[in-house]
Amino acid sequence: GAGVSQSPSNKVTEKGKDVELRCDPISGHTALYWYRQSLGQGLEFLIYFQGNSAPDKSGLPSDRFSAERTGGSVSTLTIQRTQQEDSAVYLCASSLSTGGFNQPQHFGDGTRLSIL
Amino acid sequence: QKEVEQNSGPLSVPEGAIASLNCTYSDRGSQSFFWYRQYSGKSPELIMFIYSNGDKEDGRFTAQLNKASQYVSLLIRDSQPSDSATYLCAVNLGGGADGLTFGKGTHLIIQP
Repeated sequence: GAGVSQSPSNKVTEKGKDVELRCDPISGHTALYWYRQSLGQGLEFLIYFQGNSAPDKSGLPSDRFSAERTGGSVSTLTIQRTQQEDSAVYLCASSLSTGGFNQPQHFGDGTRLSIL
Repeated sequence: QKEVEQNSGPLSVPEGAIASLNCTYSDRGSQSFFWYRQYSGKSPELIMFIYSNGDKEDGRFTAQLNKASQYVSLLIRDSQPSDSATYLCAVNLGGGADGLTFGKGTHLIIQP
């Protein structure tokens, strides 16, 4: 596809359940990022991957959150034992590479997660 | 603590006028600066990016960067009702710490 693809687009689950969110980046983009946006809040950085490695995990809110990327492409963000405060839109972005300069990140449509 | 500050608005501008959106950032080592537009219920869409002091123009949009003042702005000329959205300023430290730090956005309303 031409853009970043995320699935599912919506997820409703009960508190305490585990959820897995998927992101398929733009073809050729080696860097992949996860953010979340809570209602009325700004975008919060969670984690990024360069290839299959995650140099920066500093944004993960707790040890219930984990992410992996295999084959330098698709990434999954897993939230274990979900809590109501995990309800948010989870956004994935990709870019050509890390390194800062001139590597704009392009976002997918997000997964809207609702914890009952 | 990296911070990016924006006036939340709403900023109301008449159609055809220039809309001026401002952003300040706290980390003097920041290297790249991005403006995203976000319509309600949608994901952020890249508008412009800038990394050197001065102005960068793309169509009706001009990004301005002043690293000494730690200030970046976005000008929208000939504002259209379709420009009504929330505009997010994002800053990238660079050098491997590549998660963007976002401001909370300015809600822009273009009045027909």
